[in-house]
Amino acid sequence: QSALTQPASVSGSPGQSITISCTGTSSDVGDYNYVSWYQQYPGKAPKLMIYEVSNRPSGVPDRFSGSKSGNTASLTISGLQAEDEADYYCGSYTSSSTWVFGGGTKLTVL
Amino acid sequence: QVQLQESGPGLVKPSGTLSLTCAVSGGSISSSNWWSWVRQPPGKGLEWIGEIYHSGSTNYNPSLKSRVTMSVDKSKNQFSLKLSSVTAADTAVYYCARDPEWGQGTLVTVSS
Repeated sequence: QSALTQPASVSGSPGQSITISCTGTSSDVGDYNYVSWYQQYPGKAPKLMIYEVSNRPSGVPDRFSGSKSGNTASLTISGLQAEDEADYYCGSYTSSSTWVFGGGTKLTVL
Repeated sequence: QVQLQESGPGLVKPSGTLSLTCAVSGGSISSSNWWSWVRQPPGKGLEWIGEIYHSGSTNYNPSLKSRVTMSVDKSKNQFSLKLSSVTAADTAVYYCARDPEWGQGTLVTVSS
C-alpha cells in the first residue's frame, strides 16, 4: 500500500485559515468515510483531531474541520493560533482492511 | 478514560526479535475495539504496523506482514507486538493506540 500524499509544509499567519490536503486512491480515501487527522508536537504522541472525515472528538476546538471530495480529504484550521504549529498526519482505512498514513505536513504559524 | 502504556527493551540486536507490550488501564481490552501499533522512525512520518481485535483477529501492514505477530492477553488486559528479523530500518518510536487514546511511545533502537 502506498502512503497518502500530503504537502510537506504549509504556513499561515495568526487568524488566517489554512487547508492541508490528503490525496489517496479509490481504494482508500475515495472509497471509505474512515479518514482521520492527527496533530503531533515534537517528542509527543499523535493526537486525534478529526475522525470519519469530519467528526471532532470531544475537546478539539471547532476551528478544526475536515472534509472529503473524491480521493482527496482536507483538514482546515480557521482562526490560526500559534499553538497550532505542529505536524499533521492524515490516515485512511483501505480496501485491504488496513490503514495507511500520509507523509505528514509541517504547519508553520508565521 | 482508557490509558495505554508501552513497555519492552529499548535495544534489540540486528536479526533479533523486537517484543513490546501495551498495558491497557481504565477499560477492558475486550471492549468492541481494534487495538493498533504504529511506529515512527526518527525524524520521519507515521507507519501503521497493524491491529488486533480482542478475539485475536488481526490485520497487518502488507510490507511487514511476514515479520509481525500480534497477540492479546485478556487476563492481563494487554496486547503485544513481535517483529522478527529486525534491522536498523526498524529503529523507531513504537506507539500502541486505540483512537483517540495513544500511548506515550517507546523508542526501540536496533543496533549491535
